[in-house]
Amino acid sequence: EVHLVESGGGLVQPGGSLRLSCAASGFTFSDYAMTWVRQAPGKGLEWVSGVSASGGYTYYADSVKGRFTISRDNSKNTLYLQMDSQRAEDTAIYYCAKDCSSTSCYNYWGQGTLVTVSS
Amino acid sequence: QSVLTQPPSVSGAPGQRVTISCTGSTSNIGAGYDAHWYQQLPGTAPKLLIYGNNNRPSGVPDRFSGSKSGTSASLAITGLQAEDEADYYCQSYDSRLTVVFGGGTKLTVL
Repeated sequence: EVHLVESGGGLVQPGGSLRLSCAASGFTFSDYAMTWVRQAPGKGLEWVSGVSASGGYTYYADSVKGRFTISRDNSKNTLYLQMDSQRAEDTAIYYCAKDCSSTSCYNYWGQGTLVTVSS
Repeated sequence: QSVLTQPPSVSGAPGQRVTISCTGSTSNIGAGYDAHWYQQLPGTAPKLLIYGNNNRPSGVPDRFSGSKSGTSASLAITGLQAEDEADYYCQSYDSRLTVVFGGGTKLTVL
């Protein structure tokens, strides 16, 4: 059974940094691209960043480009999101998600971790 | 403002059929990219409901179906049940902005 468990969320001051982790199990992690999606309180889903199966290709939404860095450690079955220069508008639940193999969808999601950017 | 446009809310009585539209453009759905749908029950993570325009993952009831035409996609739910009350999101790929989601539609079962 596929499991994705996020951790690392919390309260951070504007301009601060936080690193999220997503521990994966139940599938061959190194075979699949992975993604981070966030959801601000009471708002819709927003794609944040994606990484290829090997980690060699990374993609970012314009809203986080230059501030966030996605990475993965296939030996540890773990996905990361390094978030720097955080802003109030980064406050959200952050979900990691496993890419579908055949098309651009996400067939498994973690439970999410809450990031609050506030002074 | 989302790249994919959904109605903010829809409603229906138990047993009825409802549809949720997802309007895109020639840079996403209209460019031939697949549309996908997610169901998000209150307080939970999204769940893949329809992928590749009209395919259901294992375990999703056949009351849920998807379609795509031109620059739009639709989700239909037949035999509406109380447990279908949730937020529904469409998603696709956009050649300008990579992955895009609709703004979400809240389904209320009357």
